[in-house]
Amino acid sequence: QVQLQESGPGLVKPSETLSLTCTVSGGSISSYYWSWIRQPPGKGLEWIGYIYYSGSTNYNPSLKSRVTISVDTSKNQFSLKLSSVTAADTAVYYCARVVLWFGELLMSWFDPWGQGTLVTVSS
Amino acid sequence: QSVLTQPPSVSGAPGQRVTISCTGSSSNIGAGYDVHWYQQLPGTAPKLLIYGNSNRPSGVPDRFSGSKSGTSASLAITGLQAEDEADYYCQSYDSSLSGSRVVFGGGTKLTVL
Repeated sequence: QVQLQESGPGLVKPSETLSLTCTVSGGSISSYYWSWIRQPPGKGLEWIGYIYYSGSTNYNPSLKSRVTISVDTSKNQFSLKLSSVTAADTAVYYCARVVLWFGELLMSWFDPWGQGTLVTVSS
Repeated sequence: QSVLTQPPSVSGAPGQRVTISCTGSSSNIGAGYDVHWYQQLPGTAPKLLIYGNSNRPSGVPDRFSGSKSGTSASLAITGLQAEDEADYYCQSYDSSLSGSRVVFGGGTKLTVL
């Protein structure tokens, strides 16, 4: 079965760029949408954005100006870059596969999820 | 402030039935977008519990059920067990003048007494 694993620095300085990679194993990254979701400590979930294996993206409007999601099909990986970070970006970052309902992205859900990686923004 | 509203906490004794509500608006649940539910056990990633309002993935016990009506959805858990103690999140899609996005509820902590 498909498994996802996040990787990247656990500590990022304020104003710098957060960079994470999600490696997909047990299946191909092709023909699917993939997503990043984050969860600040003790708080709820926030969707960051989608990417299709072809490279097309859709971002949360509240983060759009700072987010870039990219895909590398040769490595079966997709990545997240979040620029100009502040302490408010401290969170556990999850990657997940997007499952479409009747082919509709608007009706989709997330399954499976990676285990998550904590990124702390601090000097 | 989450777009979808859930009660912060619910509780029940073993064997009892509990429900968790997820209240939205005309720009999300009321617009016809489906609702999905996740269970997050302490220290772990969320796990899909219900998709498409009322469908259970393989392996999810039939003690868990979902429903949707109007601008709200509900998750019901019957025959409550100690291992059900977790945080539960609803998820849908929202489309408004400020843009379109996936939205989650704020989460509900279930305590098994």
